[in-house]
Amino acid sequence: GDSVTQMEGPVTLSEEAFLTINCTYTATGYPSLFWYVQYPGEGLQLLLKATKADDKGSNKGFEATYRKETTSFHLEKGSVQVSDSAVYFCALSRDTNAGKSTFGDGTTLTVKP
Amino acid sequence: GAGVSQSPSNKVTEKGKDVELRCDPISGHTALYWYRQSLGQGLEFLIYFQGNSAPDKSGLPSDRFSAERTGGSVSTLTIQRTQQEDSAVYLCASSSRTSTDTQYFGPGTRLTVL
Repeated sequence: GDSVTQMEGPVTLSEEAFLTINCTYTATGYPSLFWYVQYPGEGLQLLLKATKADDKGSNKGFEATYRKETTSFHLEKGSVQVSDSAVYFCALSRDTNAGKSTFGDGTTLTVKP
Repeated sequence: GAGVSQSPSNKVTEKGKDVELRCDPISGHTALYWYRQSLGQGLEFLIYFQGNSAPDKSGLPSDRFSAERTGGSVSTLTIQRTQQEDSAVYLCASSSRTSTDTQYFGPGTRLTVL
């Protein structure tokens, strides 16, 4: 079955540092890939997505590229801010009527001033 | 509507009691999902509704868990005879017919079973 493995946390960085959170997946076919973010005390929010190989999703300075050859979708940001402190979830989902998404276990990021 | 809403936001119950959790999806969204997030873990799929199709119940952990969706909109997740291991945050999400792979999440209901 489908699975998502993401880098274990917690990750602690200083402000303006470079961020990478690794995510790899196992799935047949061509799922869509997502990063969700959960800020303290809030629900999950879609951060970015990519629906086919070599697509790059981007939002709020974050980027991730769908790599079919390495089955990866690593999240990157060039310069993190304190406000980026949150839990980040990598996920995959399938097309129309296919239903549920499969999520990684989440990576907690803390950015210190 | 503005977004997915869930109620209550917090629920504390005693072991053995039944609980009902409610989800109001985004207006017009045809698909609705329930997930469970245990402390420090990822999301565990529970059940999925799509339009008038039979729901995908493959993630329900036991027969104590059930869910219904009335009129293609509001959904209720019911847990009977709650156990301590049911303590978790229960998340609801919805998606539209034209973009079923993108889910919008509610704030969740934190369930604590004493």
